[in-house]
Amino acid sequence: ETGVTQTPRHLVMGMTNKKSLKCEQHLGHNAMYWYKQSAKKPLELMFVYSLEERVENNSVPSRFSPECPNSSHLFLHLHTLQPEDSALYLCASSQARSATSGNTIYFGEGSWLTVV
Amino acid sequence: AQSVSQHNHHVILSEAASLELGCNYSYGGTVNLFWYVQYPGQHLQLLLKYFSGDPLVKGIKGFEAEFIKSKFSFNLRKPSVQWSDTAEYFCAIQGGSQGNLIFGKGTKLSVKP
Repeated sequence: ETGVTQTPRHLVMGMTNKKSLKCEQHLGHNAMYWYKQSAKKPLELMFVYSLEERVENNSVPSRFSPECPNSSHLFLHLHTLQPEDSALYLCASSQARSATSGNTIYFGEGSWLTVV
Repeated sequence: AQSVSQHNHHVILSEAASLELGCNYSYGGTVNLFWYVQYPGQHLQLLLKYFSGDPLVKGIKGFEAEFIKSKFSFNLRKPSVQWSDTAEYFCAIQGGSQGNLIFGKGTKLSVKP
C-alpha cells in the first residue's frame, strides 16, 4: 500500500475510444505527477501539478489531457490514442514540488494501457 | 540538461554474490539522489535516498549506496543478494527548483537460487 491509488489497473482501448485514468493520493501531498513507463525507455515525466495548477507539460501530445480537480485527485483523459501509446502510466505524489526541500516522490501501482 | 545513466541493462547473479549497480548523472548543481526498485508485477518503491550529509546511505533490505560527487556517481551495493532481490532497479535524480525525478533506463537484476 503506497498511499497512491490508481484505477483501472488494466485498460484496453481502441484508437477511437475516450477513456480516463484516475489517481488518488491519501498522503496529504500538494504535488502530483503522471509518468509513462515504456519498454526499453526511461520513465518519462508527462505532467506535473502543484497545488492543483499544472506547472509542467513535457511536450506531451494533446491526445493526453490531464485534470487535477483538487490536491488529492489527478486524472489522465485519453482520446484517439495510437498503439505506440501502450505503456504503464504511473501516478505519483510528493509533499511539494521543490527539490530543495528534499521531497520524496511516492508512486502508485500504475495503470497498464493497451491501445488496439 | 539533467540525465541519468545506468551502465548495466541486465545483471544475472547467483544467491550470496555481491552486487554493485552503476549510476552516473549529469547535472551542474545540487541534486537529490534516489534508488527505486520495482519487483515483478509491483509498483515502484523507494529503496534509499540521498539529500545531504554522510555520502554512504543505507536503505531497506540491506542495500546501500555511495554518493561520490567528484565522479557524479551514486552506485547501489549489496554484499549478498537473495533470490527475492530479483527486480528492476532505477536510479533517479532531482535537482534545482523542480521536484520531479529524472530516471535512468533501469537495470534488471536476476538472482538465481
